[in-house]
Amino acid sequence: QVHLQESGPGLVKPSETLSLTCTVSSGSLSYYYWSWIRQPPGKGLEWIGYIYYSGSTNYIPSLRSRVTIAVDTSKNQFSLRLSSVTAADTAVYYCARLVEVVYESHFYHDYWGQGTLVTVSP
Amino acid sequence: SSELTQDPVVAVALGQTIRITCQGDSLRSYYATWYQQKPGQAPLLVIYGKSVRPSGIPDRFSGSRSGNTASLTITGTQADDEADYYCTSRDSRDTVLFGGGTRLTVL
Repeated sequence: QVHLQESGPGLVKPSETLSLTCTVSSGSLSYYYWSWIRQPPGKGLEWIGYIYYSGSTNYIPSLRSRVTIAVDTSKNQFSLRLSSVTAADTAVYYCARLVEVVYESHFYHDYWGQGTLVTVSP
Repeated sequence: SSELTQDPVVAVALGQTIRITCQGDSLRSYYATWYQQKPGQAPLLVIYGKSVRPSGIPDRFSGSRSGNTASLTITGTQADDEADYYCTSRDSRDTVLFGGGTRLTVL
């Protein structure tokens, strides 16, 4: 059973950079994609981006200029940085494992962290 | 279009069958994945691929696809099925699309 745990500040000031880490236990990062997903209070889920264990990334176009996802296989962690945050970035942030089914060409997230609320406020 | 559209709210009587739909161009090429989310919890994977249920998901949940529409069907809906349901899909840029979510009320 793979376990994911988000960690990082729960409060970030406007215009600053949001930084979160996801620690993966009971499993390796290898051969999987790893996503960040967020959910503003009372709203739906929004995929932010993913990183492959080897380091290649893909981001949602609307956030691409502000987002960086990185991986540290030695620590079994991956991270999210979101720069120039505003109140609109207030959300519960989830990390999740993304599985690619190559022969059917689709994705699914099978393991999720519990989520961490990040509030953007002065 | 790179969007997935879901009805915001649906309701079903206890024990009846409900179909929750998701529409989008990407669904013509890629399977939908369905998640269940209850208040205060992380999403739970319920259906992926043609209609694959992860271990522990009851067989009353099933999935299907026709053209640009994917469906999640719950047969014999239970009170515990009351939740938000989200569809997702891969798209041609290898990004992940999320639908806006459907709130299922069990009457």
